[in-house]
Amino acid sequence: GNSVTQMEGPVTLSEEAFLTINCTYTATGYPSLFWYVQYPGEGLQLLLKATKADDKGSNKGFEATYRKETTSFHLEKGSVQVSDSAVYFCALSSASGGSYIPTFGRGTSLIVHP
Amino acid sequence: ETGVTQSPTHLIKTRGQQVTLRCSSQSGHNTVSWYQQALGQGPQFIFQYYREEENGRGNFPPRFSGLQFPNYSSELNVNALELDDSALYLCASSLRDRNLNTEAFFGQGTRLTVV
Repeated sequence: GNSVTQMEGPVTLSEEAFLTINCTYTATGYPSLFWYVQYPGEGLQLLLKATKADDKGSNKGFEATYRKETTSFHLEKGSVQVSDSAVYFCALSSASGGSYIPTFGRGTSLIVHP
Repeated sequence: ETGVTQSPTHLIKTRGQQVTLRCSSQSGHNTVSWYQQALGQGPQFIFQYYREEENGRGNFPPRFSGLQFPNYSSELNVNALELDDSALYLCASSLRDRNLNTEAFFGQGTRLTVV
């Protein structure tokens, strides 16, 4: 079955530091890949996505590249801000029996200090 | 905002009771998925409804059931509540049509506490 593995958190950084959150996946077929962000007490918001190999998703300074050869979709940001503190979820969606059901990783908490 | 709304936002129930959670999907979306998110965990897929029919189910017992209505809004029903059912319940809507499948847009969730 499909699965997503994320690096464990929390990841603690100082403002303006470089961020990488690793994500690898196992899936049948050709999944679409996503990063979602969850702020405290809120639902999940789509941060970025990539639908085929070598695609790069980007939004708000965050980037992730769909690497089929390494089955990875690592999230990066060149300079984090305190407002980026949240939980980040890597997810995939692929066709399975006619359904497209997103599968989520366990989430990685990011804490950014001033 | 995503346009997906859930009600209520918070709920406290007693073990053994039944609960109904509601979700209005984003305009134009025909697919609704429900997730359970325990504290500190990722969302776990409960089931999905596509055009009013169940279209996939995760590893949850039959006391978790659902409905999707003609306007594509949805309900999640949980019978015989257990303490471990305490969690944030998330609804997500998407549009699916032949080869098109949009990403899921989530509501704010319903925080259910079972005491």
